Amino acid sequence: GQQVMQIPQYQHVQEGEDFTTYCNSSTTLSNIQWYKQRPGGHPVFLIQLVKSGEVKKQKRLTFQFGEAKKNSSLHITATQTTDVGTYFCAGLTSGTYKYIFGTGTRLKVLA
Amino acid sequence: DAGITQSPRHKVTETGTPVTLRCHQTENHRYMYWYRQDPGHGLRLIHYSYGVKDTDKGEVSDGYSVSRSKTEDFLLTLESATSSQTSVYFCAISESIAGGTTDDEQFFGPGTRLTVL
Repeated sequence: GQQVMQIPQYQHVQEGEDFTTYCNSSTTLSNIQWYKQRPGGHPVFLIQLVKSGEVKKQKRLTFQFGEAKKNSSLHITATQTTDVGTYFCAGLTSGTYKYIFGTGTRLKVLA
Repeated sequence: DAGITQSPRHKVTETGTPVTLRCHQTENHRYMYWYRQDPGHGLRLIHYSYGVKDTDKGEVSDGYSVSRSKTEDFLLTLESATSSQTSVYFCAISESIAGGTTDDEQFFGPGTRLTVL
């Protein structure tokens, strides 16, 4: 079945450093989403990418969708303590109604 | 936050007992999902619904059943709970899937923490 892997599993950074998490699917995706979950909370939607090679930015966050639509990345510039949480990607395969979530990357930011 | 609630929020039960979790939405969204979240596994889809009385299995459906008799409610039932079903369960809703011009944003409920002893 379809698998979506995320690396790294954990990342500790000093405040102000950059952070990147990578998402890789075993199958080609129709689109990919990114979510953030704060400790003790529920996942919250960040963004959706649909086109091959697409790049979207939200302030300090940059999201990319690979040319082959099998991988994606989230890059945070100059992390802040408010960036703490777990970041998940979720991929949709064409012809299905279900998103498969990656295993998540847990980010800790040290002040 | 989207109008989505889950009940109960916490439950402790014993092995072999039936358990039903409820997800209720006030957004009139077509798609509803049940996920479980466990350390090291992220979010895994149990079952989902693409309309009233229309449901399908996800990645980890064994031991679970669902029902959706009206748009606003999606029930998850553990017929005979086992310790391996101890987890945090999230319900999610979405207005569209692969709609093209709109995002398929999933709105998540607050979660139910289930412990099976």
